[in-house]
This record gives sequence, structure tokens and C-alpha cells, in this order.
Amino acid sequence: DAGITQSPRHKVTETGTPVTLRCHQTENHRYMYWYRQDPGHGLRLIHYSYGVKDTDKGEVSDGYSVSRSKTEDFLLTLESATSSQTSVYFCAISVGGGGNQPQHFGDGTRLSIL
Amino acid sequence: GESVGLHLPTLSVQEGDNSIINCAYSNSASDYFIWYKQESGKGPQFIIDIRSNMDKRQGQRVTVLLNKTVKHLSLQIAATQPGDSAVYFCAERAAGNKLTFGGGTRVLVKP
Repeated sequence: DAGITQSPRHKVTETGTPVTLRCHQTENHRYMYWYRQDPGHGLRLIHYSYGVKDTDKGEVSDGYSVSRSKTEDFLLTLESATSSQTSVYFCAISVGGGGNQPQHFGDGTRLSIL
Repeated sequence: GESVGLHLPTLSVQEGDNSIINCAYSNSASDYFIWYKQESGKGPQFIIDIRSNMDKRQGQRVTVLLNKTVKHLSLQIAATQPGDSAVYFCAERAAGNKLTFGGGTRVLVKP
């Protein structure tokens, strides 16, 4: 158990509303990631963070922003949600730097945009 | 772009038999590979990893084989159990600390 908590676990909201998903870790790992998982696409990286206030874009970052003001929290924000952002969102942490360590995942947030 | 893929979308296996899940990767620069298991409603769970300087690695009931010549990765599960029913997918690291994931293979264990 990598000590990752995602909240909320489920959310239904309307198009055009802002949405923030939270990822909380308890083990002070440096690297944190946000993915979305959709049928036929597998896991796709949205944004990631390599330290407090240090973030970078992934392959599907349009429409999303992130913030990391504390080591333990990584927030994903949809400024104006669209139906195409209906998905399951996973947060992950990497237990070590350098890239040769596995990522460990939370249990996801199922987000529906109506 | 280059991506990780899988040969079979669904694998049915008899309980007690061995399972083999395959993964083809296209980025010859990838140097680290991971297998994950995902059960319904849960996040991906790390199973085993392998670095490109190895061609085989064993864990508890699982073995990962890496063939860099043909860019192929496989996961073998020995004595498959009902609890092994899940979606399995591979991931590769080509650069930095980012992974590229395959689409997944569903393993169904028949009693």
C-alpha cells in the first residue's frame, strides 16, 4: 500500500462547471502523476509533478491544470468541464526518482460530466 | 508515436493452468518495463518489473520475459487462480520518469 488517497471517489457534474480532484499521499514521494483511463485508450498521462510547485504536461493536458503546494497533495482541476472529460482519473506516485522505479496507483475517481 | 501494445485482448484460462500474457513494444530506447494488474473498480497494482539489461525476472508465481531483439515482453502466471482474473497491462519507460501504457488484456479464469 503506497498510502495514496483520491477524493472524491465518484462525482457527477454538469458541463461548464469547475471540478477539482485531490490526490493525497502519506509517504513524501517526490513524483506524482495524474492519468485518465478510457476504454480503448489505456492510461494516458495528463500532468505530473516532480516536486512542490514543479509540474509538467503529459500527453493529454489540454483542459486540465494542476497544483502542488505541498509534497503530500497533488490537485487536478478541470476549469470548465466538458463531456469529453468523463473518465476515470488515477493518481500515481513513484517510489523513487531516476525513472527506474514502478509507479503505484490510487483507486481512482470516476467523473461523469453531463 | 511509439506505443506499447498487446497481442490478445482476452485470455481464458483453466484454473490451475499457466497463463501467458504478451506485450509488444515499439520504442527500442525503452529501458524499463512493468506489468500491472487491475481489478474492477480499483487502480492498477504493480506486479513485477524488469530492466533492459535483464531478459528474465521471477516473482511469486509470476515470471517476466524480455526479448529486446523482437521488442517483446511477456508475463507468465503459474497455476492460475480465480483471484488472477483481472486486466493486465504492460508499461514501458523510454525517457525521464514517464511511462507509456498498453491497452490491457483481460484474463478470465475458468473453474
